[in-house]
Amino acid sequence: QVQLQESGPGLVKPSETLSLTCGVSGYSISSVNYWGCLRQPPGRGLEWIGYIHHSGSTYYNPSLRSRVAISMDTSKNQFSLKLNSVTAADTAVYYCARRGAGYSIDYWGQGTLVTVSS
Amino acid sequence: QSALTQPPSASGSPGQSVTISCTGTSSDVGGYNYVSWYQQHPGKAPKLMIYEVSKRPSGVPDRFSGSKSGNTASLTVSGLQAEDEADYYCSSYAVGSNLVFGGGTKLTVL
Repeated sequence: QVQLQESGPGLVKPSETLSLTCGVSGYSISSVNYWGCLRQPPGRGLEWIGYIHHSGSTYYNPSLRSRVAISMDTSKNQFSLKLNSVTAADTAVYYCARRGAGYSIDYWGQGTLVTVSS
Repeated sequence: QSALTQPPSASGSPGQSVTISCTGTSSDVGGYNYVSWYQQHPGKAPKLMIYEVSKRPSGVPDRFSGSKSGNTASLTVSGLQAEDEADYYCSSYAVGSNLVFGGGTKLTVL
């Protein structure tokens, strides 16, 4: 059973960088798949942030592309999100996820709330 | 403003059927059979219910079904049960954006 677990600071100051680590268990991220992140502002809908392919190729939401980077560490079976120059609009529950068939998201982490505030 | 349009709410009585729509364009819903549907209970992560328009992952009851016509996809929940009360989101592959979502529909079981 694939399990994902988010970890990182719950509070980030404006203009700083949000960092999130996604640990994966039950599946090797080196296998053929895409791994990525999504977010959900409080009381609002879902937004895709980006993916990283097992080959290292990355794909990002055009609205966030200038500020986001996803990387992977196969030795630790984890991948990481960095979002720089954050503002209050980046306050959200952030999810780690695996992309499944047909651009679906078949496995999700439990999510972690990241608040941007001074 | 979400890329895909869903009604904000839907409702039905136990045992009834309810259909939730998801409208996009020819660059997303209409152009590809890559529509997914997710169920989200309060405080929980979304759960995949339908992928590739009409396929159900293992463990999802067959009361949940998906379809598509033109630029509009639909999720139908038959034989409504109390535990079906949740938020439902559609998503689609989109040219240039890769993955887009609807704004979500709150399903109430009366």
